[in-house]
Amino acid sequence: KAGVTQTPRYLIKTRGQQVTLSCSPISGHRSVSWYQQTPGQGLQFLFEYFSETQRNKGNFPGRFSGRQFSNSRSEMNVSTLELGDSALYLCASTVGSGGNEQFFGPGTRLTVL
Amino acid sequence: QKEVEQNSGPLSVPEGAIASLNCTYSDRGSQSFFWYRQYSGKSPELIMSIYSNGDKEDGRFTAQLNKASQYVSLLIRDSQPSDSATYLCAVNGPAAGNKLTFGGGTRVLVKP
Repeated sequence: KAGVTQTPRYLIKTRGQQVTLSCSPISGHRSVSWYQQTPGQGLQFLFEYFSETQRNKGNFPGRFSGRQFSNSRSEMNVSTLELGDSALYLCASTVGSGGNEQFFGPGTRLTVL
Repeated sequence: QKEVEQNSGPLSVPEGAIASLNCTYSDRGSQSFFWYRQYSGKSPELIMSIYSNGDKEDGRFTAQLNKASQYVSLLIRDSQPSDSATYLCAVNGPAAGNKLTFGGGTRVLVKP
C-alpha cells in the first residue's frame, strides 16, 4: 500500500508570494491533517480535513488555508509569505477523524527568502 | 503549563542499554497516545500507539500508560545506534478538539 505523498518536496519562495502544497493520503484514508514544524516551535497543528470538511483548526493566521477534494487529496495554501513561514510542512492521513493513528508524508520544505 | 511535555534531552545511552523516555500531558480526558520517531531531516514515523493503562510491547519497544498520573513512557531495549533520533509523544484529547497535540520531542543518542 502506497504511503502518504506530498508535492513538491522542496520550495523556495520570496516574501509576499503565495504557495500551494499538495498531499495525497493513503488509499482509503479520509482524514488529512497538516502540521508546521520549525526548530523553535516544534510540530504545530494547522488544520484537519475529513470528507471535504474542515474539522479542526490550529492557531494560525488566515493566510494559511486548506481544502480537501472528493478523492481525499488535500491542498494547503499560504498567501503573502513571510520569512517566518520557512518550515517543514507535513501532512498526515488517518482512516477516520480523531483518535486514530496518523501516518505522515515526507513533508515539503519551504524556504522563504 | 504545556499540554504535552517531554524532556528535550539529549538522552545519551550506551549501545545495548535501555533508553527510557517520559511524557506528561495535561488533558485528563485524553484517550489516545502515540510515539513517533523522527530522524534528522525526515518526517515522523509512528512506532507505538497505546489506548489503555498498562504496558504494550512491540519488538524492542514498550509503551507504558498511566492515565491517573497522566504520563506515558517509552522504553527502548537493547538500544542500537540506529535508534538515535528524536522521539515525539503525541496525545489526542477532547480539550484540544480531538486533534493530535505533540510534545517537543526527546533527542536520543545511542553511543557504540
